[in-house]
Amino acid sequence: DIVVTQSPDSLTVSLGERATINCRTSQSALYDSTKQNYLAWYQQKPGQPPKLLFYWASTRESGVPDRFSASGSGTDFTLTISSLQPEDVAVYYCHQYRRAPYTFGQGTKLEIK
Amino acid sequence: QVHLQESGPGLVKPSETLSLSCSVSGGSLNGYYWSWIRQPPGKRLEYIGFIYYSGSTNYTNYNPSLNSRVTISLDTPKNQFSLKLKSVTTADTAVYYCVRWRDDVLANWGQGILVTVSS
Repeated sequence: DIVVTQSPDSLTVSLGERATINCRTSQSALYDSTKQNYLAWYQQKPGQPPKLLFYWASTRESGVPDRFSASGSGTDFTLTISSLQPEDVAVYYCHQYRRAPYTFGQGTKLEIK
Repeated sequence: QVHLQESGPGLVKPSETLSLSCSVSGGSLNGYYWSWIRQPPGKRLEYIGFIYYSGSTNYTNYNPSLNSRVTISLDTPKNQFSLKLKSVTTADTAVYYCVRWRDDVLANWGQGILVTVSS
């Protein structure tokens, strides 16, 4: 199985400041034939299902604010929130869908300082 | 806008079979991949499996860690798909989500249903 590891496990950031979450996969998420990274990011708030933020490592889902960005390729990926807002408090997960069984990171809990 | 809703018992006894359904509205089952994902309390999300349906063809993929106990099936007249997990233990206690794939990614999630395994 592809192991997905996020860092840090938790993060406390001041309002308006930048938040950065890292994700590493134990095998490449890049599919050579399509040149796409099969890596997604989700936001989960308490009592809610995960909400898709990005797929193909950096393609923003419709409706996601542009203060959110994502990048990376191969085995190393990053989710960045450029200016933290109160509604961004959540747990963030990265997810590889390159190879079954599809796997998720352990989550990063983002809080406001 | 597709909408998914899980239903089923919230409490299952150890060694029994967990059975859940997912009702799909605002879209057809045809031509899409449909999955079950679960989240044990305080733990990461876990892929259970998917079913793909197109015309008269469907095929499934299951997480090997659950393979011998899990079945995902379709009820096309009702526009539903279902999950059966046999011989449950307390380790199967989780919130279970049904999800539709789009653009090869888990895109549309149901609200989730908490299933507790306890005697």
